[in-house]
Amino acid sequence: EPEVTQTPSHQVTQMGQEVILRCVPISNHLYFYWYRQILGQKVEFLVSFYNNEISEKSEIFDDQFSVERPDGSNFTLKIRSTKLEDSAMYFCASSPDLNTEAFFGQGTRLTVV
Amino acid sequence: AQKVTQAQTEISVVEKEDVTLDCVYETRDTTYYLFWYKQPPSGELVFLIRRNSFDEQNEISGRYSWNFQKSTSSFNFTITASQVVDSAVYFCALSEGRDDKIIFGKGTRLHILP
Repeated sequence: EPEVTQTPSHQVTQMGQEVILRCVPISNHLYFYWYRQILGQKVEFLVSFYNNEISEKSEIFDDQFSVERPDGSNFTLKIRSTKLEDSAMYFCASSPDLNTEAFFGQGTRLTVV
Repeated sequence: AQKVTQAQTEISVVEKEDVTLDCVYETRDTTYYLFWYKQPPSGELVFLIRRNSFDEQNEISGRYSWNFQKSTSSFNFTITASQVVDSAVYFCALSEGRDDKIIFGKGTRLHILP
């Protein structure tokens, strides 16, 4: 069964460093997303991506964040100058069409120290 | 504005009991979609169901059932004859017809005690 895959599963980084979280969405899906979940809290929308551009982003997704689909298969989230409060589980998701169910990856746990 | 409220933060039941997880939503759109996701202790998010606003039929899938009532803006989830493996956090979620993002509730942590 096709699935969304994310790497790495766990990333530890120093405050102020840049990190890139990687995702391979399901191959025939058209919509791609990043969500995050601070430990013990709810899942929060960060950004959606369609047709090679950002279609929507939340207030959380400020200039510190960027997304890219560099090669038609990978979908990356870059966080520049990480802060302690960026520590969270980051989920990538993809869906075949608008308003259909999103399939989530296993998540990348980011720890900023 | 869209909002999803899961008033039950945590529930514990003994195995084989039935349990209902409540979800109340708010939206101004007439077209919207409701979801339930399960997050087991391993952390992944597992899709359970999607419902659109025009389909109020209740759904049953094995021990799981969902009751969608537009009159009360609720989309409740019942697990019948609960099992220890049902222990997880369950999220109710909403997306509006003109949006591609899913807005999650805060989740209900369900403990099934042996």
